[in-house]
Amino acid sequence: DTVMTQSPLSLPVTPGEPASISCRSSQSLLHSNGHNYLDWFLQKPGESPQLLIYLGSNRASGVPDRFSGSGSGTDFTLKISSVEAEDVGVYYCMQARQTPPTFGGGTRVEIK
Amino acid sequence: EVYLVESGGGLVKPGGSLRLSCAASGFTFGDHSMNWVRRAPGKGLEWISSISTRSSYIYYADSVRGRFTISRDNARNSLSLQMDSLRAEDTAIYYCARDRPYAIGTDYYFYMDVWGKGTTVTVSS
Repeated sequence: DTVMTQSPLSLPVTPGEPASISCRSSQSLLHSNGHNYLDWFLQKPGESPQLLIYLGSNRASGVPDRFSGSGSGTDFTLKISSVEAEDVGVYYCMQARQTPPTFGGGTRVEIK
Repeated sequence: EVYLVESGGGLVKPGGSLRLSCAASGFTFGDHSMNWVRRAPGKGLEWISSISTRSSYIYYADSVRGRFTISRDNARNSLSLQMDSLRAEDTAIYYCARDRPYAIGTDYYFYMDVWGKGTTVTVSS
């Protein structure tokens, strides 16, 4: 199975400041069609996961443009340009290049 | 509006069985493949099973293969997960999630765009 490794485990952030989460895969997620088969999810406290980014860099419907995804192959990044209090929760990357889909261990974002 | 509502969770003894259901509304259920994903206490998300639109393709995680069975009833807009031989490590919140297809040339990419609120399964004696 493809192993997904996220860092950091925990990320204290100051509202208004940028934040960045790294995700690395044990195998390339780049498909021959030129797309990276990687998604990002956020699970807010007490809620179900919500999709933020699909195919590495496409924002899902309704997701604020302060969220952006980048990277290719085995190295990916989720960036929040200006953190808001409502962004707290656990962020997960997930690869869909191979079956089974596998998630990273999660990055907990909290307000300082 | 699109909704997924899970039910059927509860407390069960090791070795016991439970059947989870996911009721879909607000979209054409039969047009979407579906997934079950769980989150154990203190752990991250784990994909456990998926089923294609006509049930032609079914996949399981190694951790549940042979014990869990996914199924769907498109006429009733319903997804199910039959869980047998339950273990303590199956304790988790179970979510159903819809796959949305994204066309790439003649192929499709599927991403989980809608999730239910989850149902809690506790396996304990």
